[in-house]
Amino acid sequence: GAVVSQHPSWVICKSGTSVKIECRSLDFQATTMFWYRQFPKQSLMLMATSNEGSKATYEQGVEKDKFLINHASLTLSTLTVTSAHPEDSSFYICSARGMGGQETQYFGPGTRLLVL
Amino acid sequence: GQNIDQPTEMTATEGAIVQINCTYQTSGFNGLFWYQQHAGEAPTFLSYNVLDGLEEKGRFSSFLSRSKGYSYLLLKELQMKDSASYLCAVMDSNYQLIWGAGTKLIIKP
Repeated sequence: GAVVSQHPSWVICKSGTSVKIECRSLDFQATTMFWYRQFPKQSLMLMATSNEGSKATYEQGVEKDKFLINHASLTLSTLTVTSAHPEDSSFYICSARGMGGQETQYFGPGTRLLVL
Repeated sequence: GQNIDQPTEMTATEGAIVQINCTYQTSGFNGLFWYQQHAGEAPTFLSYNVLDGLEEKGRFSSFLSRSKGYSYLLLKELQMKDSASYLCAVMDSNYQLIWGAGTKLIIKP
């Protein structure tokens, strides 16, 4: 299957700082990338969907000014958690889908964020 | 509204067979996916069904009935490493994935 990478895999930061997470599709062009958040023992929660070159579409309840998403190329999307607080501590996972609407979504390995 | 239902938790014995069911009600249908997620890890793709019938891939098989809004994932010759959550997801008419809450599968020796 296709390979999606995420960096960093672990982040520990102080409250109030901003954290950037990168998501890359390594062997295919991802027209659409998705950002999920998962709290311990809970389901995946879709945060936003981004298409290359356009603004991300955020799910209800997700603050777009707090979670900045940039999808500048067909292989890279970034999620920036601005002014992170302890309640933002979670497992952030990106997934990428290639050309054609029915393409499978492939997930990155996830980024664990701990805000102290 | 859109809804995906699957059991919360199942227990099975090593070497046995287990079937995880998924029923769905969505606005449109462009395929059903099964993903495996081990604790603390991201989901990995297992299968995709868009036509009715059974798709077999090694020890894992996935079945779809579009008329019944029903799918199952069948795991044979269970191994301890199969202990994980199994996520059912349906792609709706907008090509968005609607996720089930996942089924936690516990394998006992």
